[in-house]
Amino acid sequence: SAVISQKPSRDICQRGTSLTIQCQVDSQVTMMFWYRQQPGQSLTLIATANQGSEATYESGFVIDKFPISRPNLTFSTLTVSNMSPEDSSIYLCSVATGGLTNEKLFFGSGTQLSVL
Amino acid sequence: AQTVTQSQPEMSVQEAETVTLSCTYDTSESDYYLFWYKQPPSRQMILVIRQEAYKQQNATENRFSVNFQKAAKSFSLKISDSQLGDAAMYFCAYTDRGSTLGRLYFGRGTQLTVWP
Repeated sequence: SAVISQKPSRDICQRGTSLTIQCQVDSQVTMMFWYRQQPGQSLTLIATANQGSEATYESGFVIDKFPISRPNLTFSTLTVSNMSPEDSSIYLCSVATGGLTNEKLFFGSGTQLSVL
Repeated sequence: AQTVTQSQPEMSVQEAETVTLSCTYDTSESDYYLFWYKQPPSRQMILVIRQEAYKQQNATENRFSVNFQKAAKSFSLKISDSQLGDAAMYFCAYTDRGSTLGRLYFGRGTQLTVWP
């Protein structure tokens, strides 16, 4: 299994500001994923972060709003830019381990973001 | 596009009894993984069980087992000898084994209550 540390665990932010969320894994992984869970909803994939290349964003999510960094194989950050109350959600990072024959996907503990 | 449907927003079970959570999915792929995740109030996403589509045998993990019906695209979770600690939101999820390996598609979740 993979141990994923995510911080901050929660934050309350003002409209128009930005927040950077960090995700640290205890082993090297090729792909890291960022998800959003809006209140009372399921998880939606924001983007896939590969080391050494630009992140791949899902429909409805753009780099200017959610810039992602992936400087090495154990770390990634997601920034929520120019926040509005609609950005209030739980943000989770995820990693895939085990390769094609034993694929397992693990999650960090999430960042609870509230925007006032 | 892949979709995952959980038709039971809420379920309840008496402690020590058995409960089954339903999940159906839609995909044109033949090789994929299916997962059940548990999300307690701590919001940590915990992997409960995993099924590979090419395996006919149903996955089991202690008190948790699945009924995987590939032709029907059905993937239900059975929890035996339910415990109070099983109370949580349960999400069914899908990922391809191809180029999008690791990108999870989630159902809307089933909130499980366990009564003492």
